[in-house]
Amino acid sequence: QKEVEQNSGPLSVPEGAIASLNCTYSDRGSQSFFWYRQYSGKSPELIMSIYSNGDKEDGRFTAQLNKASQYVSLLIRDSQPSDSATYLCAVIPNTGGFKTIFGAGTRLFVKA
Amino acid sequence: SAVISQKPSRDICQRGTSLTIQCQVDSQVTMMFWYRQQPGQSLTLIATANQGSEATYESGFVIDKFPISRPNLTFSTLTVSNMSPEDSSIYLCSVEVAGGATNEKLFFGSGTQLSVL
Repeated sequence: QKEVEQNSGPLSVPEGAIASLNCTYSDRGSQSFFWYRQYSGKSPELIMSIYSNGDKEDGRFTAQLNKASQYVSLLIRDSQPSDSATYLCAVIPNTGGFKTIFGAGTRLFVKA
Repeated sequence: SAVISQKPSRDICQRGTSLTIQCQVDSQVTMMFWYRQQPGQSLTLIATANQGSEATYESGFVIDKFPISRPNLTFSTLTVSNMSPEDSSIYLCSVEVAGGATNEKLFFGSGTQLSVL
């Protein structure tokens, strides 16, 4: 079982729609969760972090965490073509270290 | 935040040779990480580089193949030794910036695209 799992996609949504990206993780003791965005040919950049159960909103982005289900999601409202990228779910597992484990990423296409 | 300068940005190397990748950060950071991203795949952690101690390698990665230096709090190098075509990948250095509302946030260098012939 992979430590962080995501649907590789591609996920295609029309402009203005809500894009929903999902992620599951295996270490039940994990406490820190992140979503990174990676444009083609570029390095990842952090867009959201979440540490507690529930929703966290930042502009058009909402991260959702359910530790009981070991599930993290990212919602992008009013999707724009500029949101087209690969979204990487990342987790810091409760292994006593500081390493961040990344999922394989979900490719998102927003059609104009 | 942190600004990371990574070089070279890309290189084409011959089988059996070695390449050293440099990572310079604009501020002092405790932990630096080296990741590999193979085509179409996600980031795999190679090792954690701490100043003043040996790097900590992840399963599947060894010091003889990927020696790392960390001479100070702003600089690190990763060497890919005795390269084979399987080493063709993007190599990324990253640093952790703690504190504030976004603990444990990772900043990444621009990456090194390595092709081994």
